Amino acid sequence: KNQVEQSPQSLIILEGKNCTLQCNYTVSPFSNLRWYKQDTGRGPVSLTIMTFSENTKSNGRYTATLDADTKQSSLHITASQLSDSASYICVVSAKGGGNKLTFGTGTQLKVEL
Amino acid sequence: GAGVSQSPSNKVTEKGKDVELRCDPISGHTALYWYRQSLGQGLEFLIYFQGNSAPDKSGLPSDRFSAERTGGSVSTLTIQRTQQEDSAVYLCASSLLAGGPNEQFFGPGTRLTVL
Repeated sequence: KNQVEQSPQSLIILEGKNCTLQCNYTVSPFSNLRWYKQDTGRGPVSLTIMTFSENTKSNGRYTATLDADTKQSSLHITASQLSDSASYICVVSAKGGGNKLTFGTGTQLKVEL
Repeated sequence: GAGVSQSPSNKVTEKGKDVELRCDPISGHTALYWYRQSLGQGLEFLIYFQGNSAPDKSGLPSDRFSAERTGGSVSTLTIQRTQQEDSAVYLCASSLLAGGPNEQFFGPGTRLTVL
């Protein structure tokens, strides 16, 4: 069964600090891995999309890494801001099946002063 | 241009009633997806439409759930004889094409509460 697991479940950090969120998956055959940010009461918004051949991708202060051999990904947030407080969801797509996505349950990040 | 829109934003209904949830995808997007997000759970795939092809209904949890997409644009998700376990946020997403690393753009969701 295709699964995506994320850790930690929740995280509190001080503004300006960095953090790293983890994602492990068992989705096969692998097509691509995405990280989404979901603010409370809103739909998810894409941060990065990585295919098998990509091992890192950045979007501003967000940097995602992918190790397709160990089936692990991380999302690193640099110089956190209060507006980074949200749920960060790791999502993996299998080849075929029209891009159906398997979602992790997310890491709830809170950035405090 | 406008993003994906959904209506209503909130819906409260009584157990046993039917509900209809609407999704307006981004204009020109050929693929449309419905997901369900229950409290404390990850998003769960329900159904997707790609152009004029038959929809992939493999994620629908029961025959009380159905969806249609008229004219390749607006989609309606219908839940018949609602149950309390149907309470969740229902999210719609659209993408230019299905498959590969095509980005899915999500709407704000409809929060359904079944009393």
